[in-house]
Amino acid sequence: ETGVTQTPRHLVMGMTNKKSLKCEQHLGHNAMYWYKQSAKKPLELMFVYSLEERVENNSVPSRFSPECPNSSHLFLHLHTLQPEDSALYLCASSQDLQGGDGYTFGSGTRLTVV
Amino acid sequence: GENVEQHPSTLSVQEGDSAVIKCTYSDSASNYFPWYKQELGKGPQLIIDIRSNVGEKKDQRIAVTLNKTAKHFSLHITETQPEDSAVYFCLTTGGGNKLTFGTGTQLKVEL
Repeated sequence: ETGVTQTPRHLVMGMTNKKSLKCEQHLGHNAMYWYKQSAKKPLELMFVYSLEERVENNSVPSRFSPECPNSSHLFLHLHTLQPEDSALYLCASSQDLQGGDGYTFGSGTRLTVV
Repeated sequence: GENVEQHPSTLSVQEGDSAVIKCTYSDSASNYFPWYKQELGKGPQLIIDIRSNVGEKKDQRIAVTLNKTAKHFSLHITETQPEDSAVYFCLTTGGGNKLTFGTGTQLKVEL
């Protein structure tokens, strides 16, 4: 374990379902991130939170809805997804937004939309 | 925005040989350059990093070199072993919180 825990590890959902991904860190980091990793594509930054405030949203469709209730937890709520949303979703954290001490990643949630 | 080019996209070496992966960036404000290793079924893990005031850093079989003038930095793995097989990503942190990952290099170490 890296210190960033993601659940579930695998998720299969239909296009009409609603599900949530969870990320938890107890490293004392103040910034948390959601990334999407698709086959043969660079890691795509989706959302950035700093001290529970969203600071960046990289034109992500509204069917993805993040939530950061406190500095240790980050959620990604999913609804009416498309098959092309199937990917590995990675959560990461860093001490601050500058990330000068590196980023710690979770193991990801492998999402399949059917 | 920052452009990061990572080469090669795939690299196959014989066990015991060296491997070199290079990233070229465009944002001169970038000042922190980490490398991540991602094994199958896992998230990326930091393996080595370097800051802009240093030209080279080494940690056992792994080293990173930085050329700020030419805007490129490289990962060097010596005496490669099968467990080095993974995808490697570079990352740049430009001005503010601009994080840009390289496209990744699939390294395969063959016996």
